Amino acid sequence: NAGVTQTPKFRILKIGQSMTLQCTQDMNHNYMYWYRQDPGMGLKLIYYSVGAGITDKGEVPNGYNVSRSTTEDFPLRLELAAPSQTSVYFCASSYTPNSPLHFGNGTRLTVT
Amino acid sequence: AQSVAQPEDQVNVAEGNPLTVKCTYSVSGNPYLFWYVQYPNRGLQFLLKYITGDNLVKGSYGFEAEFNKSQTSFHLKKPSALVSDSALYFCAVLTNAGKSTFGDGTTLTVKP
Repeated sequence: NAGVTQTPKFRILKIGQSMTLQCTQDMNHNYMYWYRQDPGMGLKLIYYSVGAGITDKGEVPNGYNVSRSTTEDFPLRLELAAPSQTSVYFCASSYTPNSPLHFGNGTRLTVT
Repeated sequence: AQSVAQPEDQVNVAEGNPLTVKCTYSVSGNPYLFWYVQYPNRGLQFLLKYITGDNLVKGSYGFEAEFNKSQTSFHLKKPSALVSDSALYFCAVLTNAGKSTFGDGTTLTVKP
């Protein structure tokens, strides 16, 4: 049972490049989330999804996009990378809206 | 707006001593509260939650938390700290649609 799997673990991007952070879960959870974690700060919600085909913005969605074509996968897209997007990105999922979150191990992204 | 505050960036305790990591919250209605732990280069792991019921909640690894409605607090406690408890701890409150708002985190260091 892998839980929540994120790839890649690390990535360095140049300003203006684009990339997709992958997230997949094998727990059949409907609810999935993308957070970013900056040093000394808590996690900020970027986007979330309550089921396949349904996504919505979180607290800091600018510069990102998501899709949810299957229950298992919830990729996060950065179209035009900026230094302000340097962060650690975590994908999480939950069984119900009130259930604890299950987190992946994160993707450390640096934009230079 | 719902919010969570962790007033201490750092907590230092000696091994074998009791530990407390503080959390206060501001929500409208009944709070759903969580504690998570993060080890280096890993995602957050769920420790315990308060939904309703007993004010003392027991969780993983010997941790417990005390819900205090009058003081709007949800402090994390452990009677006897271990060196292996050293990590970053996050308090979170559940908002609408299953979205969580996290505190900025408290680094716990347990010294032998």
